[in-house]
Amino acid sequence: EDQVTQSPEALRLQEGESSSLNCSYTVSGLRGLFWYRQDPGKGPEFLFTLYSAGEEKEKERLKATLTKKESFLHITAPKPEDSATYLCAVPQFMNSGGYQKVTFGTGTKLQVIP
Amino acid sequence: DSGVTQTPKHLITATGQRVTLRCSPRSGDLSVYWYQQSLDQGLQFLIQYYNGEERAKGNILERFSAQQFPDLHSELNLSSLELGDSALYFCASSVSGTGLYEQYFGPGTRLTVT
Repeated sequence: EDQVTQSPEALRLQEGESSSLNCSYTVSGLRGLFWYRQDPGKGPEFLFTLYSAGEEKEKERLKATLTKKESFLHITAPKPEDSATYLCAVPQFMNSGGYQKVTFGTGTKLQVIP
Repeated sequence: DSGVTQTPKHLITATGQRVTLRCSPRSGDLSVYWYQQSLDQGLQFLIQYYNGEERAKGNILERFSAQQFPDLHSELNLSSLELGDSALYFCASSVSGTGLYEQYFGPGTRLTVT
């Protein structure tokens, strides 16, 4: 089965300290990759979709990039309100045909300290 | 607000009982996904429906079943409940029946089995 691995599991940053989160995957023929943000006890919130290697997407302090083997979520000058768990997910080809299933990583829990 | 609604928000029940969780997708979305999220695990895909038909199954137990109605709302039925079924249950909707488009998640139903 395809695997999605995120690192680090947890990250603690000072406000303004930029960093990157990693999502690596083992899929045959990547058809896209998603990033979500999840606050405790709430549903994941969609952030980005990346479809091909070299693609980049930006939103406020977040920038997502994609290579053939992994994706990075770069956080520039984070603020305390950026504290959340960040999840990546990839569509998974199913034996029955199609890409109906999406496999989520276990996430990186980010804490930004004022 | 994602536009996806789930009821109830909280549910407390006893072992052996049966419960029904309800989800209404975003306007215009035909696909509904159900996920289970336990404290020590990530988001686990359960089942997907598209326009009333089951499209894909994940790690869904035989005690669990779901359906999508003509008005596109979906229900997840959990029976013979066990302590280990305590978790957050999310539904998500998407415009497409494939996993190649972003999903929008509801606020979740927190199920506690005592």
